[in-house]
Amino acid sequence: QVQLQESGPGLVKPSQTLSLTCTVSGGSISSGNYYWTWIRQPAGKGLEWIGRIYTSGSTNYNPSLKSRVTISVDTSKNQFSLRLTSVTAADTAVYYCAAHVSGSSWDAFDIWGQGTMVTVSS
Amino acid sequence: SSELTQDPAVSVALGQTVRITCQGDRFRTYYASWYRQKPGQAPVLVIYGKNNRPSGIPDRFSGSSSGNTASLTITRAQAEDEADYYCNSRDSSGNYLVFGGGTKLTVL
Repeated sequence: QVQLQESGPGLVKPSQTLSLTCTVSGGSISSGNYYWTWIRQPAGKGLEWIGRIYTSGSTNYNPSLKSRVTISVDTSKNQFSLRLTSVTAADTAVYYCAAHVSGSSWDAFDIWGQGTMVTVSS
Repeated sequence: SSELTQDPAVSVALGQTVRITCQGDRFRTYYASWYRQKPGQAPVLVIYGKNNRPSGIPDRFSGSSSGNTASLTITRAQAEDEADYYCNSRDSSGNYLVFGGGTKLTVL
């Protein structure tokens, strides 16, 4: 059974780059079954889709974050990563990695990591 | 603002039935997925597609859609169902994923 685990710094300074990694265990990231996705949630607020990557390397990003976001995959390590540049306090949130499966007329985030809290502060 | 609109809060009496709704133009051609999130925990998928439940989700949970409104129905509500519920689908272009603002369900 596939499991996901986020890792990375819990504190990032304003204007710097937030970098997180999601390690996939229990299955191959190259299986082709999933889009690998990042989602975030500010404290007390709702979920926000950041973007996704397929094992081919193709990506889709939330238009509101697109200029600052890069998602990449490292198949040799069974990991995918998030980079968010020029962060501000508004980027403070719990960041989740998730496995996204898609049908002909539906989507589902089938598997979630436990989430990692990232605070942007000097 | 989200392209998917949910009521911020809904309550249900223990053992009764509750419907949580999500409005969005995409539901005329696309299904919603639904997630349950308890405090301090990651969301959990409860419904996807036309009306599919992942393993481990009780059949008290069901999904439906009519016009621009998708619904999650919980029958025989239990105390353990108290949580935030989020809907998810595509944006109007169909290229991106969006979530509703969430509904806080209270079981009385």
